[in-house]
Amino acid sequence: NAGVTQTPKFRVLKTGQSMTLLCAQDMNHEYMYWYRQDPGMGLRLIHYSVGEGTTAKGEVPDGYNVSRLKKQNFLLGLESAAPSQTSVYFCASSTGVGNTEAFFGQGTRLTVV
Amino acid sequence: GENVEQHPSTLSVQEGDSAVIKCTYSDSASNYFPWYKQELGKGPQLIIDIRSNVGEKKDQRIAVTLNKTAKHFSLHITETQPEDSAVYFCAASGWEYGNKLVFGAGTILRVKS
Repeated sequence: NAGVTQTPKFRVLKTGQSMTLLCAQDMNHEYMYWYRQDPGMGLRLIHYSVGEGTTAKGEVPDGYNVSRLKKQNFLLGLESAAPSQTSVYFCASSTGVGNTEAFFGQGTRLTVV
Repeated sequence: GENVEQHPSTLSVQEGDSAVIKCTYSDSASNYFPWYKQELGKGPQLIIDIRSNVGEKKDQRIAVTLNKTAKHFSLHITETQPEDSAVYFCAASGWEYGNKLVFGAGTILRVKS
């Protein structure tokens, strides 16, 4: 049972380049989330999804887009990367019922130069 | 929306001593309060959680207390061990936010042997 898997684990982008981060979960969870983690700021929610075909904005959505075409996958896109998007990105999933445990992936360390 | 504050930002203790991390939340509608442990290079992992209908919960060396009136909750680790060294995050969520977790900024715990 792999849980939550993020791809890639590391990436360096030049300013203005685009990329997509992939998150896959094999727990049949309804809810999926993308967070970014920056020093001293904890984990901040970028976008989330409460089911296949749905997405919603979180606390810091600007500069990012997401898609949930399949229940097990949640994609995070950066259309035009900026140095301010240098961060560690975490995907998480949960059943979404009754405030249950969120399971996190290993993270993607993204550097924008 | 919800706001979670966490203190202290860093905590150093001697092996065998106790460690206490405190969090406050702003919205009385929050009803779920998990604590996550993040080891270096890994994603956060749930270690204990508490719901608003319970005042205290214990699991071996860790315990969490919740004071709904004061809107604060705390993590207590007794008999600390070097493997307890990590970053700890508190979080809060409620039905009003679609079960989205709002995290504190994190506490770096160092257990000195």
